[in-house]
Amino acid sequence: EPEVTQTPSHQVTQMGQEVILRCVPISNHLYFYWYRQILGQKVEFLVSFYNNEISEKSEIFDDQFSVERPDGSNFTLKIRSTKLEDSAMYFCASSQSRGFGEKLFFGSGTQLSVL
Amino acid sequence: AQTVTQSQPEMSVQEAETVTLSCTYDTSESDYYLFWYKQPPSRQMILVIRQEAYKQQNATENRFSVNFQKAAKSFSLKISDSQLGDAAMYFCAYEPGGGADGLTFGKGTHLIIQP
Repeated sequence: EPEVTQTPSHQVTQMGQEVILRCVPISNHLYFYWYRQILGQKVEFLVSFYNNEISEKSEIFDDQFSVERPDGSNFTLKIRSTKLEDSAMYFCASSQSRGFGEKLFFGSGTQLSVL
Repeated sequence: AQTVTQSQPEMSVQEAETVTLSCTYDTSESDYYLFWYKQPPSRQMILVIRQEAYKQQNATENRFSVNFQKAAKSFSLKISDSQLGDAAMYFCAYEPGGGADGLTFGKGTHLIIQP
């Protein structure tokens, strides 16, 4: 079965630094998502992306966050100036269509540690 | 706002036995979707089963079945004939009807399979 791939699997950064998390969604999927999970807490929706623009975003997704699909395959999440509370597991997901019980395909996540 | 609650942080079951994982949710909507996602040690979340709220019949996928009680807002997952490969974190998730993008997840239940 095709997979969503995420790189790197672990990222360590200093507070205030910019990080870019990378994802390669499944090739024929049209909708892309980022979720995060702070240790011991719930998986939280950050943002969805379709047709080269943000479709929906949560309150967590503030001006420090941005997403981009720089080419036909990659989907990136950028955090401009990382904070300690950004430390979390970040999951990328993709789907063929939107909502209505559509199955999401998740990557294995990037563990971000902000020191 | 919708909430999803998984009251069992951890469950343990003997191999070949049956186990039920609990999930309750809160919503004012009548049309929505419910999911169980499995997260094995590889961290990649995989859809186990889904249920449309307008369907009275409980969803079944091989050894996995749900007990969907709409009035009680309960959505439990039953795993029959538990196997070692079932060991994982299990997340209950909610999606409102009408094509919303973001899922609301519970905190997860860690399922241990005793050989």
